[in-house]
Amino acid sequence: DVKVTQSSRYLVKRTGEKVFLECVQDMDHENMFWYRQDPGLGLRLIYFSYDVKMKEKGDIPEGYSVSREKKERFSLILESASTNQTSMYLCASRGIRVNQPQHFGDGTRLSIL
Amino acid sequence: SQQGEEDPQALSIQEGENATMNCSYKTSINNLQWYRQNSGRGLVHLILIRSNEREKHSGRLRVTLDTSKKSSSLLITASRAADTASYFCAPEPFNNAGNMLTFGGGTRLMVKP
Repeated sequence: DVKVTQSSRYLVKRTGEKVFLECVQDMDHENMFWYRQDPGLGLRLIYFSYDVKMKEKGDIPEGYSVSREKKERFSLILESASTNQTSMYLCASRGIRVNQPQHFGDGTRLSIL
Repeated sequence: SQQGEEDPQALSIQEGENATMNCSYKTSINNLQWYRQNSGRGLVHLILIRSNEREKHSGRLRVTLDTSKKSSSLLITASRAADTASYFCAPEPFNNAGNMLTFGGGTRLMVKP
């Protein structure tokens, strides 16, 4: 089974801190994604990557950056955390063959105080 | 990518009853996928139905697809309390640049024991 592992289930940080959320997948998937999920807003795509060192902006990239130095790892970075970034963050990966599912991690519930 | 719209937004039923959730989308698709999310966790892939399929079964799950109406339904038969979760559809368009899926707000299902 594919496993997508997010480094923390719960995280509390302070305003202005630089925050790193880590995600690792074990299926050699080319594509990786970061979403945030807020009540009433569904899942919104922040950034995605289709290869090592490649990244593309999603729908809400402002205030975030990403890093993909190795194929299995995709990091989301909050450069200077703000309270409106308090949310549930979900990482996912997907292979490039046709008709593949997306595999999600368990999520990181991030609180910015 | 395109987003599916799930309906209803919330559904409450008794254990043993059937639950039906619907999904509508706007453009032609290659496949449509259904996911489940338990509270506070990541999304789990349930079933994928291809555009040339009309119905698919997996255990107590039955998915139908009507491409002429651009709609799909997920039926859970003989529901259990453990089926309580949010359910999301993800229609995958042809020529899916970025290989990403887009998710709507989901249907929140509560199964009362």
